[in-house]
Amino acid sequence: NAGVTQTPKFRVLKTGQSMTLLCAQDMNHEYMYWYRQDPGMGLRLIHYSVGEGTTAKGEVPDGYNVSRLKKQNFLLGLESAAPSQTSVYFCASSQWGQGAKNQPQHFGDGTRLSIL
Amino acid sequence: EDKVVQSPLSLVVHEGDTVTLNCSYEVTNFRSLLWYKQEKKAPTFLFMLTSSGIEKKSGRLSSILDKKELFSILNITATQTGDSAVYLCAVLYGGATNKLIFGTGTLLAVQP
Repeated sequence: NAGVTQTPKFRVLKTGQSMTLLCAQDMNHEYMYWYRQDPGMGLRLIHYSVGEGTTAKGEVPDGYNVSRLKKQNFLLGLESAAPSQTSVYFCASSQWGQGAKNQPQHFGDGTRLSIL
Repeated sequence: EDKVVQSPLSLVVHEGDTVTLNCSYEVTNFRSLLWYKQEKKAPTFLFMLTSSGIEKKSGRLSSILDKKELFSILNITATQTGDSAVYLCAVLYGGATNKLIFGTGTLLAVQP
């Protein structure tokens, strides 16, 4: 059972280049999330999706775009990479739940992205 | 502004010690509080606490939530070197979006 899989694991970009990070989950989860993790700042939500074909902005969405064309995949795009986007990016997914059935998020192993 | 604050920021102990990690929160529309353990890669889920005063246990780890005072603690007894990690506290909030707001984490180092 793979859970949440992120590709690539590492990438180095030059300023101004574009790239797409892929997240795939095999748990049939409705909800998917992209976070970035920076030293001293914890995990911050970039964008999220509550179902196939839907996306919404999180806490730090500027400079990123996302798409959820299939339920199992959530793509994070950087159109014109900047050094401030150097970070570790985590994808997560969860099932819908409320009250006593609140559901935890499950995370991928992360993508370490450096922008020079 | 919603926030989750963890303390201490870092902690060094010896094997066999007992540690207590703290998490306080001020979050609108609180639903649950979660603890995760992060070693080198993915945060892994430990506990979800929704009701006050009910202790959750898993082996040497336990956690409890106080919704009146807006805090939670994570206890680890008889620590082992494999407990070395960053421990993250997060609050699940809002309506149907299942969003989390995270603290910055506590770095625990267990020395042999």
